Amino acid sequence: QVTLRESGPAVVKPTQTLTLTCTFSGFSLSTGAMCVSWLRQSPGKALEWLARIDWDDDKYYNTSLKTRLSISKDTSKNQVVLTLANMDPVDTATYYCARICRFSSVHWGQGTLVIVSS
Amino acid sequence: DIQMTQSPSTLSASVGDRVTITCRASQSISNWLAWYQQKPGKAPKVLIYKASTLESGVPARFSGSGSGTEFTLTISSLQPDDFATYYCQQYKNDLYTFGQGTNLEIK
Repeated sequence: QVTLRESGPAVVKPTQTLTLTCTFSGFSLSTGAMCVSWLRQSPGKALEWLARIDWDDDKYYNTSLKTRLSISKDTSKNQVVLTLANMDPVDTATYYCARICRFSSVHWGQGTLVIVSS
Repeated sequence: DIQMTQSPSTLSASVGDRVTITCRASQSISNWLAWYQQKPGKAPKVLIYKASTLESGVPARFSGSGSGTEFTLTISSLQPDDFATYYCQQYKNDLYTFGQGTNLEIK
């Protein structure tokens, strides 16, 4: 059974760097064709894909946010970490991690709300 | 980036109706498309992946079709639990993108 769970701070201050951890089970990021993405949804807005890391450590970023984003993995811990620098109130959103890869079924975590406020 | 255009943005329908939501890609995405249902305060729930593969546990009244640039999600007979927001998402390109969503509301 595939599960993913997001963890991280509920509140960050403007200009700070957000660090979120996705802990997953039921698959391994050392297996070919596996991947993990981070996504977010601001209140009342559409879903937005942020970044993806593949089993071979290839990394992909949202074009609009790529200068602020970093994604990494710890295969031994089954974790993927996302950092988003220079947080702003417009970054207030629910952040999700998900396995959305070709050749496998799609699974999402339940999300974690991050509020940017001084 | 591949642009995903969903229509309509709002759809009013009644229980028992057959409804169709369309998603168009700005370039071919083969069949690398997922459909999600989202209710307020909840995570998106995957309904369909690879354009037409029904996720386990999803009622058979949901179906997906299409390939290339045009896709549809059909609900054959609307049930009260189906009123929600629906999103399409492409995952053919390395940079994933979503449609803007369709709010399915009760007429």
